[in-house]
Amino acid sequence: DAKTTQPTSMDCAEGRAANLPCNHSTISGNEYVYWYRQIHSQGPQYIIHGLKNNETNEMASLIITEDRKSSTLILPHATLRDTAVYYCIVRVRVRFGAGTRLTVKP
Amino acid sequence: GAVVSQHPSWVICKSGTSVKIECRSLDFQATTMFWYRQFPKQSLMLMATSNEGSKATYEQGVEKDKFLINHASLTLSTLTVTSAHPEDSSFYICSAPAGGSEQYFGPGTRLTVT
Repeated sequence: DAKTTQPTSMDCAEGRAANLPCNHSTISGNEYVYWYRQIHSQGPQYIIHGLKNNETNEMASLIITEDRKSSTLILPHATLRDTAVYYCIVRVRVRFGAGTRLTVKP
Repeated sequence: GAVVSQHPSWVICKSGTSVKIECRSLDFQATTMFWYRQFPKQSLMLMATSNEGSKATYEQGVEKDKFLINHASLTLSTLTVTSAHPEDSSFYICSAPAGGSEQYFGPGTRLTVT
């Protein structure tokens, strides 16, 4: 499985966009990029996934670079409830790295 | 989205006893489920892949005789921690793919061994 690299932590002001980067330089052609988040003491929550095209859903947008070696998760208007650890994962089997601890501040 | 449940949500047991944790897919069928363990302030660690009707596949370093996995139906996988010890105290989480390629996770089970 391709390994992913994310910053350890990030802060974001409430109401602003949160941009969370992820490097996956060893990703192979058929591997998707998935994003999950985990709020303290809960199971991870699926956010979004993509292969090569940019994706958007009600929670977030996913921007994947053309060479697919990195991606960015965008939370357009962060709220306090978006404070969590965000994980960027590449299939085949779901292996979690350390993730990014996002803190949204009022 | 799809729903995965776990039971119990938390359990306290004495050292040397066994504990069974259930993972259920409530509105979909899952031929494969995954079991994770998470220690405080650490990321999730994949323990094993549960396969319906066949043996589970364990990750390197995970004792299959200690962590017994049974996937008896398309909606239920169980993890039994045998002869539990305090170092087995952790947050255990299961997940399952729901038709698409994304995984859905259960709420987790917090195990405390005294």
